Amino acid sequence: DTEVTQTPKHLVMGMTNKKSLKCEQHMGHRAMYWYKQKAKKPPELMFVYSYEKLSINESVPSRFSPECPNSSLLNLHLHALQPEDSALYLCASSQVLGGNTEAFFGQGTRLTVV
Amino acid sequence: GNSVTQMEGPVTLSEEAFLTINCTYTATGYPSLFWYVQYPGEGLQLLLKATKADDKGSNKGFEATYRKETTSFHLEKGSVQVSDSAVYFCALGYNFNKFYFGSGTKLNVKP
Repeated sequence: DTEVTQTPKHLVMGMTNKKSLKCEQHMGHRAMYWYKQKAKKPPELMFVYSYEKLSINESVPSRFSPECPNSSLLNLHLHALQPEDSALYLCASSQVLGGNTEAFFGQGTRLTVV
Repeated sequence: GNSVTQMEGPVTLSEEAFLTINCTYTATGYPSLFWYVQYPGEGLQLLLKATKADDKGSNKGFEATYRKETTSFHLEKGSVQVSDSAVYFCALGYNFNKFYFGSGTKLNVKP
């Protein structure tokens, strides 16, 4: 199984809503990532978890709150977002082997903030 | 610092034409290099990888060789198909799992 599963596939939320994005993998990977991708742009790293601990936060606003409850799950909690936060949010996972290993990506959640 | 530079797109080719998408990188140390492909509305799929200098990655008729002397990892395919139409991202994996992506190159293949 080389799948990273993200739910939901699409999400529309108001600026005062609270919602969560979910990501799951069963490849035994101990590194998990959140990326944000705007249209016609490359993915931008947001967070990296390694062994369920946050290891990289790319100065992401606090309205995005990641959580890694166990080695298979990664959540991204959203609160008080702005319309400019509308984007494709991608989850990825990889082995933790010093960086020289590929990341496996999910299909993404298409988020629209209204 | 670390960065990846890809050729500007879109690249438009006829079916069965030869494809080259240029990618060069800047990195300290010894990163692994990757090509990812993204079809419309989908996530990124790993196309191929190379982990050290002179390695050649290949998959589905695509090839790329890790050239340390020219800091390049150009993607090639001998005969493209309409189904290859997608956006292609060159990336380097370095420094504890942080991946650096190029800007992406859109490929359009016409019948």
